[in-house]
Amino acid sequence: QKEVEQNSGPLSVPEGAIASLNCTYSDRGSQSFFWYRQYSGKSPELIMFIYSNGDKEDGRFTAQLNKASQYVSLLIRDSQPSDSATYLCAVNGNNDMRFGAGTRLTVKP
Amino acid sequence: EAQVTQNPRYLITVTGKKLTVTCSQNMNHEYMSWYRQDPGLGLRQIYYSMNVEVTDKGDVPEGYKVSRKEKRNFPLILESPSPNQTSLYFCASRMTLLNIQYFGAGTRLSVL
Repeated sequence: QKEVEQNSGPLSVPEGAIASLNCTYSDRGSQSFFWYRQYSGKSPELIMFIYSNGDKEDGRFTAQLNKASQYVSLLIRDSQPSDSATYLCAVNGNNDMRFGAGTRLTVKP
Repeated sequence: EAQVTQNPRYLITVTGKKLTVTCSQNMNHEYMSWYRQDPGLGLRQIYYSMNVEVTDKGDVPEGYKVSRKEKRNFPLILESPSPNQTSLYFCASRMTLLNIQYFGAGTRLSVL
């Protein structure tokens, strides 16, 4: 069974801090990696994707991928209360996309 | 506007009464899929389709049917719904090469 694992949280950080979200995956053949944000009762919204080892930055968000360790992370700098949501890690293999159960992030003012 | 449209958004039904949840996308994507989301279990794939007339089972296909007669539409059919199919359902589509997936707004289904 190909698994994607995330800490369920909740992860609580103060406003302005860095939030660090982690994800591990079991399928070494995985080729692309995604982070989605999901507000309660809403659909997942893509915020970052990464295909190659290393870091990818987009505004306050940085995705980090280490294929050797089968590890992908998301850093949110200068966290805002509006970042409070569940963050889903998704991993794509050949034909399917698998999701972790999500990490709930709370940013406290 | 590029979007994935699901209908209905909310549905309450009774055990055994057949229902269909529609999904349509206007981005000409080849790949479409259905997920269900339950607390603590995340998103689990029910069925997916690589293109017209090509469908395959995901992780939790039991009790569901799909069809892909047109590229833009991918309906989810519950022939005989049961209470364990009470869940939040999402349709999604993506271009096969880019793998970036777009989700519909979701359908909250309750089976009594």
